[in-house]
This record gives sequence, structure tokens and C-alpha cells, in this order.
Amino acid sequence: QQQVKQSPQSLIVQKGGISIINCAYENTAFDYFPWYQQFPGKGPALLIAIRPDVSEKKEGRFTISFNKSAKQFSLHIMDSQPGDSATYFCAARSSGTYKYIFGTGTRLKVLA
Amino acid sequence: DADVTQTPRNRITKTGKRIMLECSQTKGHDRMYWYRQDPGLGLRLIYYSFDVKDINKGEISDGYSVSRQAQAKFSLSLESAIPNQTALYFCATSGGVGIDTQYFGPGTRLTVL
Repeated sequence: QQQVKQSPQSLIVQKGGISIINCAYENTAFDYFPWYQQFPGKGPALLIAIRPDVSEKKEGRFTISFNKSAKQFSLHIMDSQPGDSATYFCAARSSGTYKYIFGTGTRLKVLA
Repeated sequence: DADVTQTPRNRITKTGKRIMLECSQTKGHDRMYWYRQDPGLGLRLIYYSFDVKDINKGEISDGYSVSRQAQAKFSLSLESAIPNQTALYFCATSGGVGIDTQYFGPGTRLTVL
């Protein structure tokens, strides 16, 4: 049973545009929400993360927006670059554990 | 050298064969995980271990078993491989208390014919 739903499955954006990936969760017992970035042939790597007591976190061109009441969080990539082309996974950590549930992934392609 | 290594990187096997995937880490982490990645399904947790004596089933453990030989080593076995176990397998580690980061290995691409 998928508890973290991610959309879209794939996304094509022009260079310089904004990429937006959305995730929604069903279980309120999550306490940490990271995003991972995966390049072809590599394992996922942590990109940015947020705790539920914060509504937004920004690191460079990457921003997480978190809406606790709607149980939704999203990743915004500003000024998208071809080097951002990768698969992105949202995740949620079960409260009181170090166990994560991942979304289904979004394959982003940024056109030069 | 990579912090999390996986062997083999690629493996082709036949239905019914036993196969072991190995993971080693040099980060000194207590927690280790095995995930499976399939297109459209994302990363799904197979097994996880929070220390050497602790082994837990994840959401898709059927058909798999694990062994935590040491703090740094965590192996995944397929006792009798079947074609729908064809996938990309990742080992991950994490450590510390509170906010943690999962560090993933490079993956093993397994094909079961």
C-alpha cells in the first residue's frame, strides 16, 4: 500500500524554467520528509529535506514547500539546468523510527 | 573509495538459482537497508537492520532473506530466484540520532531469466 504518492511520473522543462514535483502522504505519523536525486547508473543521494514544523526550506535553487494540513509537500527547482536532469524521489520517515517510505519517482529532463 | 559498496554490480541468473548480493560500508553506521527499485514503483524496502542483532522485514520481504555479518556488512539473498525479482537493488546506510541521511550504494542490476 503506497503511502506516499508522487506526481508527475515524468517532467520536461526548458532550461531556466521552474520544475515542480508534488508528493502527498496518507499517514500522519511521519516526522521527516527528504528528497533524493538519482542520476543514471548511480544510487539516490539526499538533495534537501524538511521537518513538518517548517512550511518551507530553501537551499540554493531547490525549495521544499510543506503543507501539513493538506498532507502535501513539493520540490521546486528554480532556473532548471540540464544538469538537473535526473530522477527525483520524495520520502517520508515513520515517526520514532529510521524507516522510510519512498514515492514512485519523477524523471526530470531539462532541455538545453 | 566509495562509502557504500555493492557486489556484484550486474548479475544475470536463471530461475531457481540461489543468489547473494553483498553490501559493505565504511561510514561506521549502525543502520543498513536493502531496497528494490522498479520503474514506476520507486524504491521499496525489502529488509532493514538497526544493529547487528536486529533484522526487520520491510514491505516486500517475501522471497528474500538477509544476513548482517558485521556492523559493516549486510547481505541480501534470493533463495530461489524468479523472473519478477528482476530489478535494481540498492543497499543504504544511515547513522546518528535525530535527523539522518540515507547513503546509497551504486546498485546491483539483477536479471532473472
